[in-house]
Amino acid sequence: DIQMTQSPSTLSASVGDRVTITCRASQSISSWLAWYQQKPGKGPKLLIYKASSLESGVSSRFSGSGSGTEFTLTISSLQSDDFATYYCQQYNSYWGGTFGQGTKLEIK
Amino acid sequence: EVQLVESGGGLVQPGGSLRLSCAASRFTFSSYEMNWVRQAPGMGLEWVSYISSSGSPIYYADSVKGRFTISRDNAKNSLYLQMNSLRAEDTAVYYCATDAGDNSAHPEYFQHWGQGTLVTVSS
Repeated sequence: DIQMTQSPSTLSASVGDRVTITCRASQSISSWLAWYQQKPGKGPKLLIYKASSLESGVSSRFSGSGSGTEFTLTISSLQSDDFATYYCQQYNSYWGGTFGQGTKLEIK
Repeated sequence: EVQLVESGGGLVQPGGSLRLSCAASRFTFSSYEMNWVRQAPGMGLEWVSYISSSGSPIYYADSVKGRFTISRDNAKNSLYLQMNSLRAEDTAVYYCATDAGDNSAHPEYFQHWGQGTLVTVSS
C-alpha cells in the first residue's frame, strides 16, 4: 500500500499569512494527488486534483504543486474561513486511494 | 448543487448488521461512479468501497472485504452499503461521495460528499 505522510500535523497561523502544507508519498504517484478541506461536522470539500488543478468554484488563494513523491498545498493570504483540517489523497492505486493523516490549521 | 444525504447509521452490537443509504439529487446519479468513505472519531479518512455507474465493477478495502456489500439503484437515485459482522473498529462516520473519474472503472478522487452518518459498534 502507498502511505501518505502530511506535515505538519498542526499549523498555527494568522489571518493574512501564507501557509504551506506538505504531503509525501511512500512511492511515486506521478500527479495523482488530491487535496481536501474539512470543517468540524462536515464532509470534506475537494480543493485540488491532479496535484495542481483547482476545483471549480474554489478560491484561487489555494494552489497545489509537486509530482512523484512530494507535494504541497499553499494558501496565500489566509482568511478566517480557511481554518480547518486539510487532507491529501493519492489515487495512483488502481483501487482505493489512501489519505494523509491530516493537517489542522489553527488560528494563532 | 449536488446533494447527497446519508442515513441508516446508529448503534449496533459487535457481530450485528446495518444498512446505510445515500439519497442523491440535483445531478444525473446514473452517470456517476460512487464511493463510501469513512472516518473514525477524531481520525483521518479511509476509502471503503467503490461502485461503477452501471453497478460493475465493484471494489472494497481489505478491511471490509467479505463483510460489506455496496449496491445502487439508479431508478431510485440511491446508493447503499450493507454492513455485516460489524466490529468495534468499524465505528466511524460514513460518507457517500461521487467519484470524479470519467467512468474510469476504478476509484479516483472524490468530488462531492454528503454530511455523513455515524455508525457506532459497541456492546
